Amino acid sequence: NAGVMQNPRHLVRRRGQEARLRCSPMKGHSHVYWYRQLPEEGLKFMVYLQKENIIDESGMPKERFSAEFPKEGPSILRIQQVVRGDSAAYFCASSPLVGQVSGYTFGSGTRLTVV
Amino acid sequence: KNEVEQSPQNLTAQEGEFITINCSYSVGISALHWLQQHPGGGIVSLFMLSSGKKKHGRLIATINIQEKHSSLHITASHPRDSAVYICAVRGETSGSRLTFGEGTQLTVNP
Repeated sequence: NAGVMQNPRHLVRRRGQEARLRCSPMKGHSHVYWYRQLPEEGLKFMVYLQKENIIDESGMPKERFSAEFPKEGPSILRIQQVVRGDSAAYFCASSPLVGQVSGYTFGSGTRLTVV
Repeated sequence: KNEVEQSPQNLTAQEGEFITINCSYSVGISALHWLQQHPGGGIVSLFMLSSGKKKHGRLIATINIQEKHSSLHITASHPRDSAVYICAVRGETSGSRLTFGEGTQLTVNP
């Protein structure tokens, strides 16, 4: 079991380009969470997804950001028309069933740099 | 005021010292996590607590639900323990998402 896999580890984009961040949850985990860590700041919740459903996107910026977790394949966090302020580390975590206390696991993160 | 407060923000210790990092929270929770983050690295889950105390090697985590407080202790600290330690809570009404403290930067000198 390879754990939560995020790719790429590092991503450089020019202002205005699109960034796609991928997260494959642990085997058997059906819940995915995306968190953002801005430079010199703490981690902040962005979005919580189950397969084919967005459960809670209260932490997502209203524009340019979207997330999906399709029936097949990894969860994708998509940032359109990136700006310098999007530069951050984006972490994905997964967990098994809702309400199950154990098993919350983080990926290694994707470090996005917008130039 | 943040829902999760950690202290101290920065901590420098000599190798072998006993270290305590504190976490206070202001909401009802279903679980509390202690996480470790190395520079440029990923996040490793050290403990998840809903009550009492847990021990793993030189690390001990305790939680007092009534006082809304948790502590992470490191015995016989070592330079490789140098990292950011983060407290995170899962609120009773926030589903499974976590709310994080700002982290404690620990440096252990040889």
